[in-house]
Amino acid sequence: QEKVQQSPESLIVPEGAMSSLNCTFSNSASQSIWWYQQHPGKGPEALISIFSNGNKKEGRLTVYLNRASLHVSLHIRDSQPSDSAVYLCAAHDSGYNKLTFGKGTVLLVSP
Amino acid sequence: GALVYQYPRRTICKSGTSMRMECQAVGFQATSVAWYRQSPQKTFELIALSTVNSAIKYEQNFTQEKFPISHPNLSFSSMTVLNAYLEDRGLYLCGARQGHNQAPLFGEGTRLSVL
Repeated sequence: QEKVQQSPESLIVPEGAMSSLNCTFSNSASQSIWWYQQHPGKGPEALISIFSNGNKKEGRLTVYLNRASLHVSLHIRDSQPSDSAVYLCAAHDSGYNKLTFGKGTVLLVSP
Repeated sequence: GALVYQYPRRTICKSGTSMRMECQAVGFQATSVAWYRQSPQKTFELIALSTVNSAIKYEQNFTQEKFPISHPNLSFSSMTVLNAYLEDRGLYLCGARQGHNQAPLFGEGTRLSVL
């Protein structure tokens, strides 16, 4: 069964800094890794996904995937207070069409 | 635009009673609907996955007898929490997927409190 672990549990960065979040997954056959953002009292919202080894950039977000080490990271450039939220990493098992989530990283960007 | 609407947003029920929650895909047809529970102690727990033309598949620790799901068409799904107790408290999220490789679109959830 797929296991997804995230670190750190919480992160505080000053406004304008880079936020770096980490995620490891257990099944190298997972088809894709998704990052979701969840604000208090809201459902999670998909931010970015990656399928292939390497990196992918969208706006201020960059995600890196290394299948050999079962590691994926999310980097938020020029972090803003509005980026403060819980960030969830999720591994998609295409065989079972199932998404397995980590426990999340709480990001706080201080003004 | 596409969105997922969940109802009710919050509900309180007495211990041992049941409550039903609904999920509706608006602006798209959902080929699959997944129900998750997010509790303070645990991460997202997948309860069950319902896919078009397939039987509803429940995850370990969750059963149809406890969490019956109805998925009559591509836009609507409902789940009932039967005989709710304290351990059933949490935020119940519905994630609807339009295509196999697309990320599920989540509603804002139904928060269940049990007295």
